[in-house]
Amino acid sequence: GAGVSQSPSNKVTEKGKDVELRCDPISGHTALYWYRQSLGQGLEFLIYFQGNSAPDKSGLPSDRFSAERTGGSVSTLTIQRTQQEDSAVYLCASSVPGQGMGGQFFGPGTRLTVL
Amino acid sequence: DQQVKQNSPSLSVQEGRISILNCDYTNSMFDYFLWYKKYPAEGPTFLISISSIKDKNEDGRFTVFLNKSAKHLSLHIVPSQPGDSAVYFCAASARSGTASKLTFGTGTRLQVTL
Repeated sequence: GAGVSQSPSNKVTEKGKDVELRCDPISGHTALYWYRQSLGQGLEFLIYFQGNSAPDKSGLPSDRFSAERTGGSVSTLTIQRTQQEDSAVYLCASSVPGQGMGGQFFGPGTRLTVL
Repeated sequence: DQQVKQNSPSLSVQEGRISILNCDYTNSMFDYFLWYKKYPAEGPTFLISISSIKDKNEDGRFTVFLNKSAKHLSLHIVPSQPGDSAVYFCAASARSGTASKLTFGTGTRLQVTL
C-alpha cells in the first residue's frame, strides 16, 4: 500500500494482559515514530527509530512499554501488563529525513481499550 | 508541562469566512512548526509547515504565520469550506534538518457551517 498501515485497528484487552501493536511504514521511509492520543489529549510522543541509530525512547511512559523495529521496516509496540490508563489511540508515523521536514505520514492508528 | 498549547478547543466559522487557529509554544529551541489536520478514525495528515527563519508560509487557502518573539503561530484558512471541518493540531520540532519527534498541541476542533 502507499500509506502507513497499522494493525489491529481496534484492540480490547483485559487489565494485566500484554498487547502488541504493529506498524508498517511507507516503503523507503527510514524514520518511524510512535505516538499515542489519550481521550481529550494531544498526541504524545513515545519513541522513534531512525535508520540503524539507537532509538529515542524518551517518551515511553514506563518500562512496561517497549518497541522494536525489525529490518528497518516493520515496528511492533508492546505494552506489558496493561493498565486502564493505557487506553488510547496509538499512532505510528514514518518520514524520510534529509528531504526537508515535509511532515510525518501517519497511519490510521490502533484504538486500545483496557477493561 | 505543555510546551505547545492550543487554547481554543473548538471554533465554528461560517462557510466562506476566514478560520484562524492559534498556537503558542514555550520552548525556544523549537525551530520548525507544522499543522496537521485530523478526521475522525483517521491518522493526522500534514497540512503546512514553517521554518523559524520565516514568518509566513502560504499554500493555497492555507497560510501559517509565525511570530517568534511572541512564540505564537497561527493558521489561516480562507475561504473556509465545509470539508475543512476537522481537528487541527499544531506541532513543533527542535531539529528542523533531521528526523525528530514532534511535540503536539491538544488540537482545535474546527466546524465550518453552511
